Amino acid sequence: GAVVSQHPSWVICKSGTSVKIECRSLDFQATTMFWYRQFPKQSLMLMATSNEGSKATYEQGVEKDKFLINHASLTLSTLTVTSAHPEDSSFYICSARPSSPTDYGYTFGSGTRLTVV
Amino acid sequence: EDQVTQSPEALRLQEGESSSLNCSYTVSGLRGLFWYRQDPGKGPEFLFTLYSAGEEKEKERLKATLTKKESFLHITAPKPEDSATYLCAVQARTTDKLIFGTGTRLQVFP
Repeated sequence: GAVVSQHPSWVICKSGTSVKIECRSLDFQATTMFWYRQFPKQSLMLMATSNEGSKATYEQGVEKDKFLINHASLTLSTLTVTSAHPEDSSFYICSARPSSPTDYGYTFGSGTRLTVV
Repeated sequence: EDQVTQSPEALRLQEGESSSLNCSYTVSGLRGLFWYRQDPGKGPEFLFTLYSAGEEKEKERLKATLTKKESFLHITAPKPEDSATYLCAVQARTTDKLIFGTGTRLQVFP
């Protein structure tokens, strides 16, 4: 089956610093990757869609300059939270869509718990 | 506007007590409806994809069904390890995005 690896699983950073989260598709090529944010006991909110080799498409209300997304290859996308503040603390999850159709739907990473202190 | 509504928000079942979770949706041309299971602090785990009304899929104690307006996830004789949040999502034909519902938190106690 399709596997997506997300690192780190959790990170604590100081306010004002930047944090990078990696999302890798391990056994398939992912044309498109998605980044979500999830607050406690709430559903997944799509932040942005990234396509390999092109600029990410951000959802309304998501700050492009704060949440930098890079999708440099068919197996790797990164989300960088710049100048993090406590309100950026959340659970961030990536998902990937295989280049070839599968019946697995979209595969999700295990998530990253970000705490900004 | 594409929308997904799940009910109930939370469900407590005794082990062996079968039940159903509901996912109502409105979408401008359905490409697929997805069911995921999410454990606390983890990413969603894929369960099923349904593409057209009348389709059904089964996996162990779970069975998903689809109509033109809603989907059900039937849980037969649940066990405590089935405790999780179950998420429903739809994808419209015109987009790659998944629109998620708020989920049903299922707790199965012995």
